[in-house]
Amino acid sequence: TQLLEQSPQFLSIQEGENLTVYCNSSSVFSSLQWYRQEPGEGPVLLVTVVTGGEVKKLKRLTFQFGDARKDSSLHITAAQPGDTGLYLCAGALANRDDKIIFGKGTRLHILP
Amino acid sequence: GAGVSQTPSNKVTEKGKYVELRCDPISGHTALYWYRQSLGQGPEFLIYFQGTGAADDSGLPNDRFFAVRPEGSVSTLKIQRTERGDSAVYLCASSPWGNSYNEQFFGPGTRLTVL
Repeated sequence: TQLLEQSPQFLSIQEGENLTVYCNSSSVFSSLQWYRQEPGEGPVLLVTVVTGGEVKKLKRLTFQFGDARKDSSLHITAAQPGDTGLYLCAGALANRDDKIIFGKGTRLHILP
Repeated sequence: GAGVSQTPSNKVTEKGKYVELRCDPISGHTALYWYRQSLGQGPEFLIYFQGTGAADDSGLPNDRFFAVRPEGSVSTLKIQRTERGDSAVYLCASSPWGNSYNEQFFGPGTRLTVL
């Protein structure tokens, strides 16, 4: 059973379009992180959200933590080819904040 | 740079052999994590060190897997009697405090192939 479900698994869109990817769970997390991973490299942290309802922006990327701290979304505005990569959400369970659990990821491909 | 390094970058071995994978964390980082990532999957937690001790080894799949961090810096992941199912990318990450609020800095991984 996957604790963190990411959707969609794959997404291929044209440059300039907007998109949203989701990370859902039935468990409560003390914090949730989004990473981006490129081929042959380790994941790189984009953002950490810790408060229910929190919204963080990183240039064209907007991250939201659900009010109940069970889910999160990543919205990209005007996608660019440089956004191509594997986007991973990872969470620390409310009772184990030193151990991070990863979802399977959303593989995003932006067509020029 | 002073990032996390892992060696070797690629390792090909035969079924039944013993392998060691090395991780050099960022200097001063007290927490060190090992993950395994199979094709099309997210990283799967294996073991977490806080200093020299394994704070949580619940992710190790079986007793063929073992990891050490004798001086609280470099860590070695050891796999005995390798099986084809062990083929994956093994990622190491370090963190300043070991709390999830702190960023985990990942190395590039070691790609292990068991023939």
